[in-house]
Amino acid sequence: SQKIEQNSEALNIQEGKTATLTCNYTNYSPAYLQWYRQDPGRGPVFLLLIRENEKEKRKERLKVTFDTTLKQSLFHITASQPADSATYLCAPTSGSARQLTFGSGTQLTVLP
Amino acid sequence: NAGVTQTPKFQVLKTGQSMTLQCAQDMNHEYMSWYRQDPGMGLRLIHYSVGAGITDQGEVPNGYNVSRSTTEDFPLRLLSAAPSQTSVYFCASSYSIGANTGELFFGEGSRLTVL
Repeated sequence: SQKIEQNSEALNIQEGKTATLTCNYTNYSPAYLQWYRQDPGRGPVFLLLIRENEKEKRKERLKVTFDTTLKQSLFHITASQPADSATYLCAPTSGSARQLTFGSGTQLTVLP
Repeated sequence: NAGVTQTPKFQVLKTGQSMTLQCAQDMNHEYMSWYRQDPGMGLRLIHYSVGAGITDQGEVPNGYNVSRSTTEDFPLRLLSAAPSQTSVYFCASSYSIGANTGELFFGEGSRLTVL
């Protein structure tokens, strides 16, 4: 069955540093992968989508990579700020899927 | 635009009671879905719909019922509430899941406690 793993439940980093979050998947080949941000008590909010033929995608201070050989996506936040503190969820999805399955998320805390 | 609206935001039920969580979207999205989120378990899909009149089961459908009579609304019914259904429920919609623009728009969640 499909399995999605996100690195460590919690990640603490110092303000200004680069945060790197990992999303690993097994037993399927997603056509694209989405990343979401979730703040406490709120619904997830879409951040980025990367397709299998795209190695890297950037949006402001965010960068996502998608390595179909390693079956892994890395999510980077450069020059991190305390406002970046949240839980980040990944969702690798096949092109024909009717269901979006999420990893359990990584809670990021950026310390001032 | 309001986006995805869920009601109620909080609800306390007794075991055996039934209730309906409401979800409405004003983006003319064909795809709608319900997730539950529990600590350590992440988001798990309950039911989804790809259009009015079409629904299907997700990963954890037992104890829940859905219908889709209009594009805008997708209510989730708990038939006989159990303590195991204590959770935070999220409704989400999308223009078209599986397409290049298949991002989900989530509501703010409904926190349900079953005593």
